[in-house]
Amino acid sequence: DTEVTQTPKHLVMGMTNKKSLKCEQHMGHRAMYWYKQKAKKPPELMFVYSYEKLSINESVPSRFSPECPNSSLLNLHLHALQPEDSALYLCASSQGPRAYEQYFGPGTRLTVT
Amino acid sequence: GEDVEQSLFLSVREGDSSVINCTYTDSSSTYLYWYKQEPGAGLQLLTYIFSNMDMKQDQRLTVLLNKKDKHLSLRIADTQTGDSAIYFCAESIDYGGSQGNLIFGKGTKLSVKP
Repeated sequence: DTEVTQTPKHLVMGMTNKKSLKCEQHMGHRAMYWYKQKAKKPPELMFVYSYEKLSINESVPSRFSPECPNSSLLNLHLHALQPEDSALYLCASSQGPRAYEQYFGPGTRLTVT
Repeated sequence: GEDVEQSLFLSVREGDSSVINCTYTDSSSTYLYWYKQEPGAGLQLLTYIFSNMDMKQDQRLTVLLNKKDKHLSLRIADTQTGDSAIYFCAESIDYGGSQGNLIFGKGTKLSVKP
């Protein structure tokens, strides 16, 4: 099973809402990642979790709050977002933190109104 | 700083070979990758090459690495309409020898005409 799943597929939220994106993998990977991809742009790294600990935060605003409850799950909590935060949010995982092979989920398409 | 450059568009006819090129700047890159992204989908890892290799072949895909010129290419033989997608070149960068991070190019949109 080389699958990373993400829910929901699409999300529309207002600027005052609180919502969460979920990511799951059952490959036994110990590193998990959140990327943000704007239209016609490459993915940009947001966060890296290594062995359930936050190891990289690429200066992401505090309205994005990651959480790794266990080695298979990764959440991204969203609060007070701005319309410019609308993007495709991609989750990925790799066996370890050295990113030799990162497997990506299908993404959540987020629209902030 | 790290930078990965790709041409933005490539158009080929079905059955021809496609060659997508990429240049990178960080000579300490350990692995270089090619990812494929179809419209509205996530990224699919196609292949990767370790920085001490010159070439890697995997079925219709051939990766060539010129480390001196920091140039990476992906050749797709017998290109099919199903190969139409955006192809991202990426390099992995180590932070302090223990962490990995992928730096992506802007992506090359491959269009395959029947």
